[in-house]
Amino acid sequence: GAVVSQHPSRVICKSGTSVKIECRSLDFQATTMFWYRQFPKQSLMLMATSNEGSKATYEQGVEKDKFLINHASLTLSTLTVTSAHPEDSSFYICSAKLQGFNEKLFFGSGTQLSVL
Amino acid sequence: AQKVTQAQTEISVVEKEDVTLDCVYETRDTTYYLFWYKQPPSGELVFLIRRNSFDEQNEISGRYSWNFQKSTSSFNFTITASQVVDSAVYFCALSEWDQAGTALIFGKGTTLSVSS
Repeated sequence: GAVVSQHPSRVICKSGTSVKIECRSLDFQATTMFWYRQFPKQSLMLMATSNEGSKATYEQGVEKDKFLINHASLTLSTLTVTSAHPEDSSFYICSAKLQGFNEKLFFGSGTQLSVL
Repeated sequence: AQKVTQAQTEISVVEKEDVTLDCVYETRDTTYYLFWYKQPPSGELVFLIRRNSFDEQNEISGRYSWNFQKSTSSFNFTITASQVVDSAVYFCALSEWDQAGTALIFGKGTTLSVSS
């Protein structure tokens, strides 16, 4: 089946630094990828929709300058948390859309970000 | 607006018991998709099922079964003869029928604990 690889799985960084998270579709092309955020024991909240070759669409309340999304190729989307602060600590998950009649979403394994 | 409600926050059962996880959704769309995902303690999301809105047939896959009732906007998930390995957070999700790329709207999840 289709596989989405997300890297790193865990990152610890100092406050003020930037962190980049990669999301790759390994055996299919994904024109659309999604980034979600999950707080402990909470649901997944959509942050933004990433479209290859165009600007990402951010959900209300998500700071686009803080969460930079780049979808430069059909198999890679990146989320960069800029000037991270402790309140950005969370579990970030990406998903990629396999298009076609039986289109479905495949999720990465998530990235646990801890900002000290 | 779309919304998914999983009223059961936590459920605890003993092995071999049957358990049903409830999911109620709201949407103004006439066509849509419904999903169930499992999130084990390791964090990744595991796809369980996708159902489109015009297919109301119930589905059974091993110990798992799903009851979709459009009349009550419910898509309930039953695990028969539960096992310890079923312990996880289960999310119900909804998306529009959109070829251009649509994100999932998740419920808050139900934490299932199965004890031996």
